[in-house]
Parts: sequence; structure tokens; C-alpha cells
Amino acid sequence: DARVTQTPRHKVTEMGQEVTMRCQPILGHNTVFWYRQTMMQGLELLAYFRNRAPLDDSGMPKDRFSAEMPDATLATLKIQPSEPRDSAVYFCASGPSDRVNEQFFGPGTRLTVL
Amino acid sequence: AQSVAQPEDQVNVAEGNPLTVKCTYSVSGNPYLFWYVQYPNRGLQFLLKYITGDNLVKGSYGFEAEFNKSQTSFHLKKPSALVSDSALYFCAVRPITGGGNKLTFGTGTQLKVEL
Repeated sequence: DARVTQTPRHKVTEMGQEVTMRCQPILGHNTVFWYRQTMMQGLELLAYFRNRAPLDDSGMPKDRFSAEMPDATLATLKIQPSEPRDSAVYFCASGPSDRVNEQFFGPGTRLTVL
Repeated sequence: AQSVAQPEDQVNVAEGNPLTVKCTYSVSGNPYLFWYVQYPNRGLQFLLKYITGDNLVKGSYGFEAEFNKSQTSFHLKKPSALVSDSALYFCAVRPITGGGNKLTFGTGTQLKVEL
């Protein structure tokens, strides 16, 4: 049963520290999405990639956030420096480009910045 | 810009009764519409989508949704609710043309099915 995997599942860090979240999309999926979920803002799209190229990162604070796909099996989301307001659950999702928006979500990384 | 409204934060229904979770949308042109479900401490899970064709779409776990263009609605329904259906439900929209693969999600509706 193919699944999107995310590591770590939980991360507690102190303000100012660098945080890196990793995602392994489902093999064969060529679109990858990063979302952030908070009680206040709901579900927000941060960035998405197709064939490893970033197509839209307009939802991402550029000064501290960066998203990359070093290869087809790995997507990363980095926050440097982290701030308490970054505390949220970060989801990665992947999908095949021939099936409109049937995105498969990972279990999420719960980030707490103290 | 597109938007989705889920007017109810929570819906309570008794097991065995029909359920409806409401969704209305705003988008330029024709929409693609989606429902996702989120169980506690899990990621979202795709339920169903409307692309084109029949306005009544059937999805996973006995759920269905009806696209109503004149009312710009895409309500989620199930004839007989189960306790295991209790979860957070999200409606999402994107325009058919333009906007890429970017989905706009509603704020979610918590469904609680009680015995």
C-alpha cells in the first residue's frame, strides 16, 4: 500500500533554530505539495512542485522558508530561523499529474517552536 | 480568486440518519470540486471529486456529493451515517483553467455521529 511518508512526525525546537522537514512522495507521483495547518488559518498551501520544479510558492514566507526537491524521492521544507508563529502541522502531499488533484497526504509533521 | 465556504463548524447526526455537510464555492469559470476527510492525527484523505458530467458524484465509504451550478454548491451527503464517519471534512475548489493544481480549501466541518 503506497503512502507518503514524512519525517519527523514531531519536532520541538527553540526559536531561532533551523528546522528541516522531509517528505517521500509516492513512487511515480510527479506533483508534490506542502501545506500548513493551524487552528487559526486552517489549511494553507505553501508550495508545490511538478517534476521537481517549483511551480508556486506564493504561500510561503520567503525570508525564512525554503522548499526543494533534490530528487524525485525527496522533498524538503526548511525554516531558518524558526519562530513560535511557525508552530503548526505541516503536511506533504503527492499526486499523479494525470488525475486531477487527487492528492495523497502524508501523516504530517507537528512542529512546536518554543 | 477562488474561495470555499463551509458554513457549519460542526454537524451532529445520529447513527443511521442521513447526513449533509454543506459547501459553497466561488471561482472564475467552471470549477473542479473536491471533498477530503481528516481523521484525528492523520493527513487528509481524498473522498471524491467533480470534474465534469453527472452532477451526482459517488465516492469512498458511501459518500456522495451533488454539484449545483446555479447555487454554486457541492454538498456532501450520505444516506446512513456511521459513528466511524466522525471526522473533519474539507471542501476544496480550483478553476478548470488557470491556477495550476492549486486547491483552495474551506475551513472544515467537524462531523460527529452519535449512537
